[in-house]
Amino acid sequence: ELKLVESGGGLVQPGGSLRLSCAASEFTFSQYWMHWVRQAPGEGLVWVARIDNYGSFTGYVDSVRGRFTISRDNARNTLYLQMNSLRVEDTGIYYCANFGFDWNDADWGQGTLVTVSS
Amino acid sequence: DVVMTQSPLSLPVTLGQPASISCRSSQSLVYGDGDTLVHWFQQRPGQSPRRLIYKVFKRESGVPDRFSASGSGTDFTLKISRVEADDVGVYYCLQGAHWPYTFGQGTKLEIK
Repeated sequence: ELKLVESGGGLVQPGGSLRLSCAASEFTFSQYWMHWVRQAPGEGLVWVARIDNYGSFTGYVDSVRGRFTISRDNARNTLYLQMNSLRVEDTGIYYCANFGFDWNDADWGQGTLVTVSS
Repeated sequence: DVVMTQSPLSLPVTLGQPASISCRSSQSLVYGDGDTLVHWFQQRPGQSPRRLIYKVFKRESGVPDRFSASGSGTDFTLKISRVEADDVGVYYCLQGAHWPYTFGQGTKLEIK
């Protein structure tokens, strides 16, 4: 069964940085686009970033563009999200997700909590 | 960005009764290959989201047939024929046709 395990969350001050990781297993990671989705406490879901299977094409929601960088290491089956210049409003659970080819699958990790607070 | 508007936002339902959630998009969600990229997710309390329906009406493996969905153009609907206690949670529609992908605000289903 496909498995996605996020890590790297924690408490950070406004203006600080964090790097999230998502370890993938039980599927051919290098074949799929990957995504980060976040959820602020008690709020809805927001798509944050996406990356193609080669790591050469990326996309970001406006609120994080220029501050966050999505990347991947296909040799290590790992997805990353480098988050800089963090703001209080970046607080939330960050999920990595895979949607297979052409949206024909949907798998999520358990999420990692990021708290931005002074 | 495409706006996905769900209604109702709160849905109290008696066990065994049907439930329906509407989702309207601000623009067409037909993708280049002709597929309509609307999906429905369920998020139970304290859990990650789980996709129930993909591409408007296709049910995920393992999802009870009490769940069905339909729609076209900009109007989409998720239906539960007989609500069970296990269905409590928040339901989201998602559009995957235009970047950035966007979710509806969520509909909180609770048992009366």
